Amino acid sequence: DAKTTQPPSMDCAEGRAANLPCNHSTISGNEYVYWYRQIHSQGPQYIIHGLKNNETNEMASLIITEDRKSSTLILPHATLRDTAVYYCIVRVIQGAQKLVFGQGTRLTINP
Amino acid sequence: GAVVSQHPSWVICKSGTSVKIECRSLDFQATTMFWYRQFPKQSLMLMATSNEGSKATYEQGVEKDKFLINHASLTLSTLTVTSAHPEDSSFYICSASLLGGTGNSPLHFGNGTRLTVT
Repeated sequence: DAKTTQPPSMDCAEGRAANLPCNHSTISGNEYVYWYRQIHSQGPQYIIHGLKNNETNEMASLIITEDRKSSTLILPHATLRDTAVYYCIVRVIQGAQKLVFGQGTRLTINP
Repeated sequence: GAVVSQHPSWVICKSGTSVKIECRSLDFQATTMFWYRQFPKQSLMLMATSNEGSKATYEQGVEKDKFLINHASLTLSTLTVTSAHPEDSSFYICSASLLGGTGNSPLHFGNGTRLTVT
């Protein structure tokens, strides 16, 4: 079972920052927080991941709370092409390394 | 880098026939590949974990005799849907884990194969 909770849908205006929350209150110390997105009829695309510290790359920023029980994915300047389903996933550091997907958040960027 | 290619991207087959889907890691070696299935408006469901040179590990409820997985090399895994039926119609997606990778190494996904069984 997925160990994360996300809102089923969100809307954001084009050009604004999109902030997608994720709750993972049962996360273990040996689990990373991963974010992927899936645009319609394509495979999931990796966005970013982190363990304890906040992370930033060319796509997004990941803010993880100090107790690691929740995180927020930030798309700083959302475009129409960012419309997708966003998945927050916790993943163990060792072992099978599999990703178990929850229901995700359907983000719609409006013009 | 880290490109995963699936073939075919879509396939239509008749009920009772078998279909093979290929998953290749193009620019890296993958010890482990994962196979997922996705029905319309649903999330991805993990079907099995494929390890190079050994038998695949199937998730609960997935029939191993129906979904045959072969991972003969570090760059290729195949999923064969045997005796396909209309209820097997779905979007099948593979992903690959970098050789020597850990939970700190992102999984890379193919673009999926849409299977329609008539």
